[in-house]
Amino acid sequence: EAQVTQNPRYLITVTGKKLTVTCSQNMNHEYMSWYRQDPGLGLRQIYYSMNVEVTDKGDVPEGYKVSRKEKRNFPLILESPSPNQTSLYFCASSPLGGGAVETQYFGPGTRLLVL
Amino acid sequence: QKEVEQNSGPLSVPEGAIASLNCTYSDRVSQSFFWYRQYSGKSPELIMSIYSNGDKEDGRFTAQLNKASQYVSLLIRDSQPSDSATYLCAVSLGGTSYGKLTFGQGTILTVHP
Repeated sequence: EAQVTQNPRYLITVTGKKLTVTCSQNMNHEYMSWYRQDPGLGLRQIYYSMNVEVTDKGDVPEGYKVSRKEKRNFPLILESPSPNQTSLYFCASSPLGGGAVETQYFGPGTRLLVL
Repeated sequence: QKEVEQNSGPLSVPEGAIASLNCTYSDRVSQSFFWYRQYSGKSPELIMSIYSNGDKEDGRFTAQLNKASQYVSLLIRDSQPSDSATYLCAVSLGGTSYGKLTFGQGTILTVHP
């Protein structure tokens, strides 16, 4: 089954404790992206990757890191989480058509609470 | 001014009516436009994408793009209670920023029987 998987789905942590949220897709998509969703603010892009070893900042990259060493995986790293990073996080992947993003397929989401 | 702005909701329409959702964007070089639907507690899913001026129809859904006026809209004909969801407009820049997507804040649609 074609899908985007995220782990963990729920996470409670404390301020400053490094964490990684994994994202994996089995559709051989070039493009992957991370978003956070907060009430009233919609989806905001954190980082995206157009292909392996190619990553770029979205609108809200502060406090986050990413890496794209393999095509299928795009982990999101919070080196020192803070309470304002409490949010619902979505990973997405998409094929590229003529270099442009097409249909994005979203993972199930990871709900993070930072105390 | 927000880069992508959607008409404020929530929007409530009776079953069978046409629901009209609007989105404006500020960057004139925007190239790709998307409408996503998100049910409560679920992930967004793509409804329509549109890249050139005019209308694009898919079943009960019609996307309309006007680059000169910098707006994109989504019409849902014969609205059904199952269309009740949050609708998200997304815009992608062209050139070297193809991968950067900006979403609007979403419009909550309720279709009542």
